[in-house]
Amino acid sequence: SQKIEQNSEALNIQEGKTATLTCNYTNYSPAYLQWYRQDPGRGPVFLLLIRENEKEKRKERLKVTFDTTLKQSLFHITASQPADSATYLCALPPSGGSYIPTFGRGTSLIVHP
Amino acid sequence: NAGVTQTPKFQVLKTGQSMTLQCAQDMNHNSMYWYRQDPGMGLRLIYYSASEGTTDKGEVPNGYNVSRLNKREFSLRLESAAPSQTSVYFCASSRPDREDGYTFGSGTRLTVV
Repeated sequence: SQKIEQNSEALNIQEGKTATLTCNYTNYSPAYLQWYRQDPGRGPVFLLLIRENEKEKRKERLKVTFDTTLKQSLFHITASQPADSATYLCALPPSGGSYIPTFGRGTSLIVHP
Repeated sequence: NAGVTQTPKFQVLKTGQSMTLQCAQDMNHNSMYWYRQDPGMGLRLIYYSASEGTTDKGEVPNGYNVSRLNKREFSLRLESAAPSQTSVYFCASSRPDREDGYTFGSGTRLTVV
């Protein structure tokens, strides 16, 4: 089955710096990968999707890369702000006709003013 | 645009009691899902409904039942609650291709004592 590894330790950075979060996966090569943001007491919110043939995708201060050889996606937030503090999850689509996606456990980002 | 609405937001049950968690979406999505999220375990799929009239088991279906009442509504029932079912439950919906991501509700925090 597909597995995702995200750093379980919180990432602490200073406001204005670039935050980089990592998502590593095993087994099959997915057609795309998704990133979500989750705030305490709330459901995850979809941020970005990157396809297997896209090396990089940007949305405002967010940048996602997808390296299918390394089986890794990097999620960058530039010019980080305290409001960016949240848990960020990556997710892979279902495989083999299944409807069951794989979500990572998420990495907590804390941006200090 | 309400998105995905879940009720109730909080619930405390005694062991053996039953309850139904309600979920409704207004995005005309075909697919709906029930997840549970536990500390250190991430999101786990309980049941899903690929389209109106169909339901299927996810990763952790034991102790739960679902009903896809119509295209908008997907309910989750606990027939005899157990302490192991203490968790945060999220309903989600998506397009069939899932490329806009999953839209999650705000969650139900359930405690079984």
